[in-house]
Amino acid sequence: GAVVSQHPSRVICKSGTSVKIECRSLDFQATTMFWYRQFPKKSLMLMATSNEGSKATYEQGVEKDKFLINHASLTLSTLTVTSAHPEDSSFYICSAKASWGLQPQHFGDGTRLSIL
Amino acid sequence: QKEVEQDPGPLSVPEGAIVSLNCTYSNSAFQYFMWYRQYSRKGPELLMYTYSSGNKEDGRFTAQVDKSSKYISLFIRDSQPSDSATYLCAMSLTQGGSEKLVFGKGTKLTVNP
Repeated sequence: GAVVSQHPSRVICKSGTSVKIECRSLDFQATTMFWYRQFPKKSLMLMATSNEGSKATYEQGVEKDKFLINHASLTLSTLTVTSAHPEDSSFYICSAKASWGLQPQHFGDGTRLSIL
Repeated sequence: QKEVEQDPGPLSVPEGAIVSLNCTYSNSAFQYFMWYRQYSRKGPELLMYTYSSGNKEDGRFTAQVDKSSKYISLFIRDSQPSDSATYLCAMSLTQGGSEKLVFGKGTKLTVNP
């Protein structure tokens, strides 16, 4: 149980393109989903917390107009990197937390984004 | 002082060895303690989750939490080459009504056949 699916796993696109990444909880409902960024050989850095039906909460230094987050249902959150530039190239990982009880975060397999 | 300290390794052991991974922390507000395993180019996979001091066992894995010393450990018995990965400790607390997960830097483990 507690499977989180993230799609796509790999994206290569030109500078200026907007890229959408989907995060789905497959077998549980998730009131809260999280978006992280991970640089090579570094740990995960929280970008934003996404709550179903409300605006996302962004961490300090993360541009909300650059990284648009939508959490329209209890099983889906999306991250859109708008007008992506080479410095946005990174490994983006989502996680989801079940709505009931004291549950840990379960992570997707990540999306490797490369902007040319 | 960082909130969570974890020796990055790398750690290399022979197959069948007992592996001990450790993290220390400074914030006594941390409520839950987790260990994740991350293979290269994959997301972290939850291995162990606990919120009280003491030991928790699951198969070959044992998680140990000592809140008085602010110290957590993960033991892997009979280690296998497939255990080769980066192991991340993580701790959570509630801040401003939302959960914050703080990760260690990760320890890279290689189990040699």
